[in-house]
Amino acid sequence: DGGITQSPKYLFRKEGQNVTLSCEQNLNHDAMYWYRQDPGQGLRLIYYSQIVNDFQKGDIAEGYSVSREKKESFPLTVTSAQKNPTAFYLCASSTTTVQAEGYTFGSGTRLTVV
Amino acid sequence: KNQVEQSPQSLIILEGKNCTLQCNYTVSPFSNLRWYKQDTGRGPVSLTIMTFSENTKSNGRYTATLDADTKQSSLHITASQLSDSASYICVVSALTGGGNKLTFGTGTQLKVEL
Repeated sequence: DGGITQSPKYLFRKEGQNVTLSCEQNLNHDAMYWYRQDPGQGLRLIYYSQIVNDFQKGDIAEGYSVSREKKESFPLTVTSAQKNPTAFYLCASSTTTVQAEGYTFGSGTRLTVV
Repeated sequence: KNQVEQSPQSLIILEGKNCTLQCNYTVSPFSNLRWYKQDTGRGPVSLTIMTFSENTKSNGRYTATLDADTKQSSLHITASQLSDSASYICVVSALTGGGNKLTFGTGTQLKVEL
């Protein structure tokens, strides 16, 4: 079955550590996205990528980094520069950013700072 | 500033009853409006997507309406079931030079009880 797989489901980070969240899709989508979800707030865009080896900052990119070396994969690194990283992180993909057809979300990773 | 406001913030109904969730938006230029269902700890799942010319779209017991003139949408759930308990998120897309930019509402938390 086609879909988006995020791993791990739960992740704990110590202060000062970098952690990487995985996102893999087999939908043959060109565009991939990372969102952050906090209680009482709408999803906020961190980074997005329209094509391999290209990505753009979203609304809240500070303290995060991404790479897009393969069409299927779009990992997100939460760096120690992110002051409040505890949140639910969602990865999504779509055919292109123009039509955004088939916009599909992964099941999420909950990151907690300990 | 593009905004999406949803009401009510939360809602409790008895199993078998109907309910209607509201979404008002100030997003321009409008491209499409989507409703998603998000179970606790999971990623959002698409229910409906409507473009400017569509007034109504159904998906089983879910019926979405769109009034592009007043910039309002509603999601009607018929004969509610316990499994309908979830957060329902309204997402409005604006077509910008960089593609579709999505603005997310904060969601309506629905609880269906026996």
